[in-house]
Amino acid sequence: EIVLTQSPGTLSLSPGERATLSCRASQSVASSYLAWYQQKPGQAPRLLIYGASSRATGIPDRFSGSGSETDFTLTISRLEPEDFAVYYCQQYGTSPKTFGQGTNLEIK
Amino acid sequence: EVQLLESGGGLVQPGGSLRLSCAASGFTFSRFATSWVRQAPRKGLEWVSSISGAGGGSTYYADSVKGRFTISRDNSKNTSYLQMNSLSVEDTAVYYCAKGYNYGDVWGQGTLVTVSS
Repeated sequence: EIVLTQSPGTLSLSPGERATLSCRASQSVASSYLAWYQQKPGQAPRLLIYGASSRATGIPDRFSGSGSETDFTLTISRLEPEDFAVYYCQQYGTSPKTFGQGTNLEIK
Repeated sequence: EVQLLESGGGLVQPGGSLRLSCAASGFTFSRFATSWVRQAPRKGLEWVSSISGAGGGSTYYADSVKGRFTISRDNSKNTSYLQMNSLSVEDTAVYYCAKGYNYGDVWGQGTLVTVSS
């Protein structure tokens, strides 16, 4: 099973700042089959990125994904108030599909 | 508008059964896979099960539910199902339905399953 480790666990930033979230895999993720989701309290996850770097429909271009093999990054170029949430990465290249434990992006 | 609406959650005793439903609208349901993802209270996400589109000939189950849960679909009703048997307290979670086999591009609001005596 591929274990995804997200860092940091909590990230405290202010609106307008740049956020960099990391997702490290215990082994190579096949074909960069990695997705990123945003989840706000009491809501379902929302797909942001798939295929490591492709933005999902309707996702603002301040969200970008990069990386390959074992190291992946989600970058939010300029934080908006609505971006403060928990972010999860998920790999779907190897069974079982697994999620990271999440990064809590909070307002500083 | 693409929507997924889960139902069927509730309180069940250990060892009991429950069937969850996921009603889809706003897209050609038969063409797309659907999946179930769960989230235990104050915990992270776990991908539980997936079924391919059309005839649903391809399925996926997490090891934690294999042999106990069964995913199915009825394209005439635009609905997918998750039959859950031999439930244990570890199955307590919000269960989300998602569109897609490998990742979810649309999610329902979730239905809470509580397994407790």
